[in-house]
Formats: sequence, C-alpha cells, structure tokens
Amino acid sequence: QVQLQESGPGLVKPSQTLSLTCTVSGGSIISGGYFWSWIRQEAGKGLEWIGYSYYSGSTNYNPSLKSRISVSVDTSKNQFSLKLNSVTAADTAVYYCARELSSGQIDYWGQGILVTVSS
Amino acid sequence: QSALTQPRSVSGSPGQSVTISCTGSSSDVGSYDYVSWYQQRPGKAPKLMIYDVTKRPSGVPDRFSGSKSGNTASLTISGLQAEDEADYHCSSYAGTYTFVVFGGGTKLTV
Repeated sequence: QVQLQESGPGLVKPSQTLSLTCTVSGGSIISGGYFWSWIRQEAGKGLEWIGYSYYSGSTNYNPSLKSRISVSVDTSKNQFSLKLNSVTAADTAVYYCARELSSGQIDYWGQGILVTVSS
Repeated sequence: QSALTQPRSVSGSPGQSVTISCTGSSSDVGSYDYVSWYQQRPGKAPKLMIYDVTKRPSGVPDRFSGSKSGNTASLTISGLQAEDEADYHCSSYAGTYTFVVFGGGTKLTV
C-alpha cells in the first residue's frame, strides 16, 4: 500500500517561497508509469492541480502557476518537493501530494498540509 | 472559477439514488474517457471512487457508478447511506498542456 506524507512549514510570509516535501513509502518513486504531483485546495473550494514531476525529472505545470512553481524528485530519498515562490494570501490552502496516473487520475493522496501565507 | 461545473449541493434520503453532474467542454470531458470522481470527507484527503468514467477501484461499493454523455459526466449513488455524506469532486484529463482540470465540488447531504 503506497503512502504519501507532506511536510514543511505551515506559515509562510508574503513574497517568500513556499517549500514542501512529500515522502513516499510502500512503493518506489522510480516505478514507471506514475507522476508525482501536487494539488491544492483553498478553504471551502474545489481542488486545483499544481503540477507533477516524473522520476526522470521531466515536469508539467498548471499554466496559471507555471512562472512561480518548481516540482522536483529526489530518488535517493524516495521524496519529491514543491517550491512556489512570490506567495501571496491567495496561495493559502491545503496542499496535497499525490501519485497520479498518465491519464491524470489520482490513486493515492497524502493527508494534506495547511499552508497559511501571512506576515 | 473551476474548469468543470458541478452543482454546489445535492441531497437524498437513505435508500434513494442521487446523481451529480460534471459539465466540461470539448477540450476535456468531451474529448477523453479519463473522468474520475473523488469522495472527500471533512478534514480528509480525497478518495478515488470512479476512474476512466465508469470503473471502480477495488473496495468501492457497486452502489457508485459513473457515466458520460458529450461534455457532461455523472456520478450516481444508489441505495444512499449516511456514510455517503461527503463532498464529491470530478476531474478530467485535458491534454498534455493543461493536463488535469477539476470541478468545484458538490456537497452531498443524506
């Protein structure tokens, strides 16, 4: 059973960089056919796909966030990470890491981590 | 504003059936058979309930079924149970550039 766990600061100041890490257990991040993704959800709102990295390092990002985000994989630690720079209050949300199929469908989710952007 | 449109809320009594719609466009729902539905209970992560429009992952009751017609996908839950009360989100593959789009979520009250 694959499990994912997000970690990182719960509070980030405006204009700074949000950095989160997802640790994968119960499976290898270099298993082919899966994308390692980030999704976020503002309070009371729907889900928003942020982007993914394949184990090889190839990436794909939400066009609306592309200029501010970076997703990377550390195969030696079985982890992947999200960096979102120049954050504002609008980036306050629960951030989920997930395993995504090539069809865009998500079969495993982390429990989520609330990140608040505030001074 | 979400790319896919879902009703904000639906309700039903135990034992009844409800259907939640998810309307997209010819760029997503209408072009690909990669629609999925997720159940999300308060404070919890979403859980995959339907994928590839109609398929159920192992462990999901057959009371949950999916379908699609044109640009609109639907999730039907039959024999409603109290434990089905949750938010339901739809998503669709939208091509290699946009990749994935979600609906705004529907709150089901039983």
